[in-house]
Amino acid sequence: GAVVSQHPSWVICKSGTSVKIECRSLDFQATTMFWYRQFPKQSLMLMATSNEGSKATYEQGVEKDKFLINHASLTLSTLTVTSAHPEDSSFYICSARGEGGGDTEAFFGQGTRLTVV
Amino acid sequence: GQNIDQPTEMTATEGAIVQINCTYQTSGFNGLFWYQQHAGEAPTFLSYNVLDGLEEKGRFSSFLSRSKGYSYLLLKELQMKDSASYLCAVMDSNYQLIWGAGTKLIIKP
Repeated sequence: GAVVSQHPSWVICKSGTSVKIECRSLDFQATTMFWYRQFPKQSLMLMATSNEGSKATYEQGVEKDKFLINHASLTLSTLTVTSAHPEDSSFYICSARGEGGGDTEAFFGQGTRLTVV
Repeated sequence: GQNIDQPTEMTATEGAIVQINCTYQTSGFNGLFWYQQHAGEAPTFLSYNVLDGLEEKGRFSSFLSRSKGYSYLLLKELQMKDSASYLCAVMDSNYQLIWGAGTKLIIKP
């Protein structure tokens, strides 16, 4: 299957700083990318959906000014957690979907474990 | 290396029962997840197993055997809307999710 690379795998940052997570589709063009957050022993929670070249659509309850998503190219999307706080510590995972619209399956990155201290 | 194996595709009849198997080899284990994904949509969480045994949730059940590196998702009283891909994922010792390629389940009337 297609490969989606997410970087970094884990990061520890100080409270108040910003952290950027990258999601790259390595062998296909990702027209749509999904960003999820997962707390321990809980399900993936969709945070936002982004289409290349347009603004991301955020799920209810997700602060767009805090979780900045950029999908400037067909192979790269970034999630920036701004002014991180300990409650932002979580597992973040992206998935990417290629051209083809509704019939194209999404492939997942490995995830990023963020710890804010 | 780390890998998750599950069948590529399965076909079942409406009203019947189907079992989707998942075997895994990972560096460490911090739980196994099953997700359902309809074409063109984001995956939705179905179950989480971290201890051996069967977890039942309505028509869906998930079983785990850590010693065998094996899990299955059991779907009962199949409905047409159950046609979807079912993804098995294991969280390893570094808390990274290792994903299976997914099993496409086709339900026939």
